[in-house]
Amino acid sequence: SAVISQKPSRDICQRGTSLTIQCQVDSQVTMMFWYRQQPGQSLTLIATANQGSEATYESGFVIDKFPISRPNLTFSTLTVSNMSPEDSSIYLCSVEDSQGMRETQYFGPGTRLLVL
Amino acid sequence: SQQGEEDPQALSIQEGENATMNCSYKTSINNLQWYRQNSGRGLVHLILIRSNEREKHSGRLRVTLDTSKKSSSLLITASRAADTASYFCATGLSGGYNKLIFGAGTRLAVHP
Repeated sequence: SAVISQKPSRDICQRGTSLTIQCQVDSQVTMMFWYRQQPGQSLTLIATANQGSEATYESGFVIDKFPISRPNLTFSTLTVSNMSPEDSSIYLCSVEDSQGMRETQYFGPGTRLLVL
Repeated sequence: SQQGEEDPQALSIQEGENATMNCSYKTSINNLQWYRQNSGRGLVHLILIRSNEREKHSGRLRVTLDTSKKSSSLLITASRAADTASYFCATGLSGGYNKLIFGAGTRLAVHP
């Protein structure tokens, strides 16, 4: 399984500011995914990021609010822009299992964001 | 949007008892996966079952899938306090890339 790290692990931010979350994988993967988990809720997919192409966003999520970069096969960033308290969530990245069953996704430890 | 429902929303049992969680979904799937999350941290992958499979085992875990009823169940046998966590099912949809749609989750509390 892939080993995934995220930075920062948590942050407290002021409304109107932006935060960039980093996701690093210990192996090359084709697809990376970004999820949001609002307090007490389940996970919702924000977007899928392939290296070398624009991210694909799910309904309700737009690039201006959640710009994503995918400069290489081991790294991606998600920016939460112009934050409001409603953006307070855990943000998780995940990757497909490139070695075994490709349908399996492995998750990073998450970034816990609180917006005041 | 979420694919379906999980029940129960919360489950409280004693150590040694079995815990059963159910997941229902709405659309055709390629696979269904179960994850565990401890205290709002990252998700741990437990088991994947494909749409052409009916049952899978992994240690103390047993997963069943009934595609005719669009439902799955996760059974944890001989539960331990360390099993206390939230459990989520996630469906990989038919067609296209492997996008996962998560259920609402079941919060399991195992008391010593």
